[in-house]
Amino acid sequence: DGGITQSPKYLFRKEGQNVTLSCEQNLNHDAMYWYRQDPGQGLRLIYYSQIVNDFQKGDIAEGYSVSREKKESFPLTVTSAQKNPTAFYLCASSIASNNEQYFGPGTRLTVT
Amino acid sequence: QQQVKQSPQSLIVQKGGISIINCAYENTAFDYFPWYQQFPGKGPALLIAIRPDVSEKKEGRFTISFNKSAKQFSLHIMDSQPGDSATYFCAASKGSARQLTFGSGTQLTVLP
Repeated sequence: DGGITQSPKYLFRKEGQNVTLSCEQNLNHDAMYWYRQDPGQGLRLIYYSQIVNDFQKGDIAEGYSVSREKKESFPLTVTSAQKNPTAFYLCASSIASNNEQYFGPGTRLTVT
Repeated sequence: QQQVKQSPQSLIVQKGGISIINCAYENTAFDYFPWYQQFPGKGPALLIAIRPDVSEKKEGRFTISFNKSAKQFSLHIMDSQPGDSATYFCAASKGSARQLTFGSGTQLTVLP
């Protein structure tokens, strides 16, 4: 059963705490992405990685960090420096030769 | 700077009718234009995509029309069904850069 998994589905944290969101794929895709979605808005790119051990900032990388130590995993850490972290976070992946991105089910993060 | 503008923000259609969602882009370097469908609480799913070398692409009840000179593309959903009720996002990317720029989304409601 191939696909992208994100865990947990819901996550609650206190303000000032760092939190790490998990993203795993078994599609053998080279590239992985993290997006943020706010109510009534489109998706905004946080970070992306096209190969292992390499990643680039997207449009809204401030307050976030990532790692890509394995091809199938691309965890996102929301740090205490992110001013408005409450959002729906989506992970996606694609193969190297085209732009077709496939999304995971998302993690809804609430910070109070 | 919003590079992909999507309209309308919301759309209500009767069952069996045609749903039309429009997007306009600014960057002439964009060369891949996908549409995604998202149900509440779920990740977006790739619906259909087009490249600028064709003016139209059809898959089942879904058709993309592309106007390169006007820098516009649209999604047509024929014979709309209540199960099509979802949020639809257009997006665009350019060249080897795989990050997608998304429109703001259209919430479609198909009345039974």
